[in-house]
Amino acid sequence: ILNVEQSPQSLHVQEGDSTNFTCSFPSSNFYALHWYRWETAKSPEALFVMTLNGDEKKKGRISATLNTKEGYSYLYIKGSQPEDSATYLCAFIFNKFYFGSGTKLNVKP
Amino acid sequence: DAGVIQSPRHEVTEMGQEVTLRCKPISGHNSLFWYRQTMMRGLELLIYFNNNVPIDDSGMPEDRFSAKMPNASFSTLKIQPSEPRDSAVYFCASSRGHPNTGELFFGEGSRLTVL
Repeated sequence: ILNVEQSPQSLHVQEGDSTNFTCSFPSSNFYALHWYRWETAKSPEALFVMTLNGDEKKKGRISATLNTKEGYSYLYIKGSQPEDSATYLCAFIFNKFYFGSGTKLNVKP
Repeated sequence: DAGVIQSPRHEVTEMGQEVTLRCKPISGHNSLFWYRQTMMRGLELLIYFNNNVPIDDSGMPEDRFSAKMPNASFSTLKIQPSEPRDSAVYFCASSRGHPNTGELFFGEGSRLTVL
């Protein structure tokens, strides 16, 4: 069983704050890393698919970086908005998907 | 385009009853995954299919669980007999291409309560 860890477990920020969270994964046998956004009472939606060491991806105010040599990925949200409130999941792909337990973000207006 | 369609959205049943959950993947997607979400374990992969063939069922809890994919547009997950500890949200997801590369598109989930 591969260990994919996300930190922090939960985060409360004010509207306008920038924030970031971490996904740690085994640095050997890397294939790909995905980030998903999961709003309450909905289903997870893909944010980023990352495959190369040093990858940086951006979608609006959200961006992610990848370091496969040291086994981590960061997700950044610039100027958080209440609609960013969700659980952010990372998935490490080796021979199958291994999901972390997520970081639950709450953005207060 | 229609997304992944799951049914039923909610099911309440009594212990010992058979439960069948259904999934229609996105047209053109060749991989289909069944996940279970619980408070304790988060998202767990139960089984996945590639081109209708089960590839990895190591996550299926026990013999009470079975899954089939008779064609490219339909899959079922069956629990027989059901137990209270099976209560969870069951998600179906599909993807295109190699099962371990494409992003997953999730259905809205089937919430199962076993009394």
